[in-house]
Amino acid sequence: GQSLEQPSEVTAVEGAIVQINCTYQTSGFYGLSWYQQHDGGAPTFLSYNALDGLEETGRFSSFLSRSDSYGYLLLQELQMKDSASYFCAVKAAGNKLTFGGGTRVLVKP
Amino acid sequence: DAEITQSPRHKITETGRQVTLACHQTWNHNNMFWYRQDLGHGLRLIHYSYGVQDTNKGEVSDGYSVSRSNTEDLPLTLESAASSQTSVYFCASPNFGQPQHFGDGTRLSIL
Repeated sequence: GQSLEQPSEVTAVEGAIVQINCTYQTSGFYGLSWYQQHDGGAPTFLSYNALDGLEETGRFSSFLSRSDSYGYLLLQELQMKDSASYFCAVKAAGNKLTFGGGTRVLVKP
Repeated sequence: DAEITQSPRHKITETGRQVTLACHQTWNHNNMFWYRQDLGHGLRLIHYSYGVQDTNKGEVSDGYSVSRSNTEDLPLTLESAASSQTSVYFCASPNFGQPQHFGDGTRLSIL
């Protein structure tokens, strides 16, 4: 089976940097995905890491270390619109996803 | 534009009733997935399909069924709705090797 751990909540001010860590235990691993979800909305895809290292997409970056079963999502230059829940998800064979419990990010002025 | 649509967006029903949630995609993808999300939690996989006539059980399949008679649709049926199945249901249809993009979801309340 799969299990993922991520912090439940993070609070930061506009312009700050936030790092959301995700550790996982898995019986089959193809990669680690990150999703953003605003209240009442659907999860939207942010990034995917299949190999070790850092992937950068604008203000957001994602990192993976397969040997440590660990990854993180880095949110830079925080904006009010970044207030949302962020989920890490392990991708297994057959494109199946197992999600962590989510991290609620609250951005304050 | 190709898309994925779920219906209804909201539904209220009573325990013991049969309920069917629709998921329709126009991408012509073989893969389709159903997840549920309980308040304050991540998504959990219910059922999935890799093509017509193919269905598979996910992590939380008890009390749910799916059928795949064509490429575009994967309806999710709750055979006898229970209050524990009150949740938000999301459908996804990724192309092979591509990230999953979700429909807008169905918010289901069972009283």
